Amino acid sequence: NAGVTQTPKFRILKIGQSMTLQCAQDMNHNYMYWYRQDPGMGLKLIYYSVGAGITDKGEVPNGYNVSRSTTEDFPLRLELAAPSQTSVYFCASSSGTGGTEAFFGQGTRLTVV
Amino acid sequence: AQRVTQPEKLLSVFKGAPVELKCNYSYSGSPELFWYVQYSRQRLQLLLRHISRESIKGFTADLNKGETSFHLKKPFAQEEDSAMYYCAQTKAAGNKLTFGGGTRVLVKP
Repeated sequence: NAGVTQTPKFRILKIGQSMTLQCAQDMNHNYMYWYRQDPGMGLKLIYYSVGAGITDKGEVPNGYNVSRSTTEDFPLRLELAAPSQTSVYFCASSSGTGGTEAFFGQGTRLTVV
Repeated sequence: AQRVTQPEKLLSVFKGAPVELKCNYSYSGSPELFWYVQYSRQRLQLLLRHISRESIKGFTADLNKGETSFHLKKPFAQEEDSAMYYCAQTKAAGNKLTFGGGTRVLVKP
């Protein structure tokens, strides 16, 4: 029972580089989310999706892009990485029905130097 | 905009003492409220949700619409309760899930 799988677990990027954080879920959930967790700042929503082909911005979308071509996958793209994007990134999914539980991946720790 | 406020960043209590984590939300309609917990080196996971009116690991949380609060309580804290706790809300089923800033709980022996 894989649940939500994120890759990679750790990554160091140089300023200006680009990368894609992968997220896959095997629970046939319609809703998927990307959050960043900065020390002492809690979880901030970057982007979310309510189904394949539909995405929307969260609180802190600048510097990121997402796509949702399939129900299972929700990759997060960082273009022109900046030190301010150093954070731990979490992907989550939920079924979207009432009182639904969100399931989280194990996180990706990204450092931009 | 939806906003969830957790005023305490750190709560330090002794084992056996009561613990209460405060959470206030901004949505004036009928929100769905949750408490999530992150133990050391583990994934964020659901602790409890208001619609279930359940007690999980001795924790309870009551939704107070008048005060727009959803405080988490446990009468007798245990060392294994040491973790990061997040309050979260959605406006409707599966709408974007918004988290508070989190409260770190440290239970001392």
